[in-house]
Amino acid sequence: EAGVAQSPRYKIIEKRQSVAFWCNPISGHATLYWYQQILGQGPKLLIQFQNNGVVDDSQLPKDRFSAERLKGVDSTLKIQPAKLEDSAVYLCASTTGWSTDTQYFGPGTRLTVL
Amino acid sequence: DAKTTQPNSMESNEEEPVHLPCNHSTISGTDYIHWYRQLPSQGPEYVIHGLTSNVNNRMASLAIAEDRKSSTLILHRATLRDAAVYYCILKTGGTSYGKLTFGQGTILTVHP
Repeated sequence: EAGVAQSPRYKIIEKRQSVAFWCNPISGHATLYWYQQILGQGPKLLIQFQNNGVVDDSQLPKDRFSAERLKGVDSTLKIQPAKLEDSAVYLCASTTGWSTDTQYFGPGTRLTVL
Repeated sequence: DAKTTQPNSMESNEEEPVHLPCNHSTISGTDYIHWYRQLPSQGPEYVIHGLTSNVNNRMASLAIAEDRKSSTLILHRATLRDAAVYYCILKTGGTSYGKLTFGQGTILTVHP
């Protein structure tokens, strides 16, 4: 079974530029998550989708971050404009959606903002 | 979300058992105890989870205290590949949208 795919794996941008990350979850997984992991910390949930609807985006900085999940499959996370403090690994995860189900994580995208 | 407390770091020797503790004194009756680990430069991966009874799988065992206020992840024979950050997480059951709230985790170092 193919895992969660993410691209790009690495990205370096200047502050105030924009950037987008892509995630392809495991086939058939209804729930998709985006996490931000700053160096030395645990991942922090940014947004959670159930199919193509948003379940939780309470920790998403909506003035600069946006995310969409068209057709309930792939998802894109965008940052515009980027700040230095956005330097982090952005992780995508998916699950079938049941409360006790495990989450499967992708390898992440490491973003460096200069 | 209910909070968990873990030691910042632990060390072990290869082929010895490792007991990783986790305190969760404010756990509620519907909270499941999940453990994930994160190897260097990888996304977290699921290890094990339980509700009340001890659990075993091919990766590890989970021992849950009778009052459920603490739990211990047991790696029976540590290998160098087990060196990772281990996260103990409470995940609310009873809903279909359970989310994971990660803490700092325990950095496990395995010596050859």
